[in-house]
Amino acid sequence: EDQVTQSPEALRLQEGESSSLNCSYTVSGLRGLFWYRQDPGKGPEFLFTLYSAGEEKEKERLKATLTKKESFLHITAPKPEDSATYLCAVQAAGGYNKLIFGAGTRLAVHP
Amino acid sequence: EPEVTQTPSHQVTQMGQEVILRCVPISNHLYFYWYRQILGQKVEFLVSFYNNEISEKSEIFDDQFSVERPDGSNFTLKIRSTKLEDSAMYFCASSYTSEQFFGPGTRLTVL
Repeated sequence: EDQVTQSPEALRLQEGESSSLNCSYTVSGLRGLFWYRQDPGKGPEFLFTLYSAGEEKEKERLKATLTKKESFLHITAPKPEDSATYLCAVQAAGGYNKLIFGAGTRLAVHP
Repeated sequence: EPEVTQTPSHQVTQMGQEVILRCVPISNHLYFYWYRQILGQKVEFLVSFYNNEISEKSEIFDDQFSVERPDGSNFTLKIRSTKLEDSAMYFCASSYTSEQFFGPGTRLTVL
């Protein structure tokens, strides 16, 4: 069964304290791995797509990386406005476009 | 920047009543989706729609659910006879290729 597991469940950082979020996946052929940001009561906001092991994408203070078993979302020198839940999702090969989501990591960045 | 819109933002209904949730996807997108998120749980796939037909649906999407694209811009989710366990945030998403863009959601409360 296709599955996505994110860790940690929650992370508290001081402003400027860099860290990484983990997304491990088990899927019958990976078509793509996606990172989203979700603010409370809002819809997921697209951040990155990664398609193959070794690929990296960057956007401002965020960098996403992919291996054959997991992805990391690195946050460099975070600011309080980076506080949100970060969701990882996968698309499996052989299917259509459905996304299988992890439970997310709740990030709180304090000044 | 184009975005997915959803109405209403909040719907309260009595158990057994029919509800219709509405979405306007991004105009040049070809694939349309509904997901739901029960409070505190993962985002779950319900259904995908392409070329005026359902391309994939989950076990959750039983005979009580239906989707329709009644015109060139709207995409709707109908729940025929709501149950207490249908209370959740419902997200519409659309994509041109693999990246899915989500709307702000409709919070459905079934009393």
